[in-house]
Amino acid sequence: NAGVTQTPKFQVLKTGQSMTLQCAQDMNHNSMYWYRQDPGMGLRLIYYSASEGTTDKGEVPNGYNVSRLNKREFSLRLESAAPSQTSVYFCASSEPGRGQGEQFFGPGTRLTVL
Amino acid sequence: RKEVEQDPGPFNVPEGATVAFNCTYSNSASQSFFWYRQDCRKEPKLLMSVYSSGNEDGRFTAQLNRASQYISLLIRDSKLSDSATYLCVVISMDSSYKLIFGSGTRLLVRP
Repeated sequence: NAGVTQTPKFQVLKTGQSMTLQCAQDMNHNSMYWYRQDPGMGLRLIYYSASEGTTDKGEVPNGYNVSRLNKREFSLRLESAAPSQTSVYFCASSEPGRGQGEQFFGPGTRLTVL
Repeated sequence: RKEVEQDPGPFNVPEGATVAFNCTYSNSASQSFFWYRQDCRKEPKLLMSVYSSGNEDGRFTAQLNRASQYISLLIRDSKLSDSATYLCVVISMDSSYKLIFGSGTRLLVRP
């Protein structure tokens, strides 16, 4: 099993460009998440999907959109990138409810917006 | 005030030392507690859950103090491979079971 995979691993964008970060999991988990990690800030939840067909905002959703394409895939889109979105982005999956304590993370996407 | 606070460190200790980290949380409705480990430029991984009665996994001991709203992680007989950032994580029922991460405590174990 590959676990949680993310593409791309690295990306450099110019301000105003758009891009989609892809995430897929093969653990048959219902819940999937997108986080960003900035120095000294810890991981902050951008969006999550408790189950296929549902998405909800997390702590820092502004400037992002998500799509839960199917049970395996959860993508994050930046419509008009800004330098403040320079960060490391992690996708994660888990079972819902009390199973959320154990989340499985992908290797991350390191994004720089110039 | 951050919902979950940790001393960022770094804690610089020799091999074989015992080291302890604390983490405080502000939401008294917090229900579940965890320690995650994150190696440099890698993804976080669950290290252990923290139970009310305290729990041990090999050289690692986690404890919870609900009255004072803090959790702790004790590492005995530190190994070089323990060098990493340790993230304190809290789940509150009133946040729909979403995880709240601390910003992490960095541990460096030297030979």
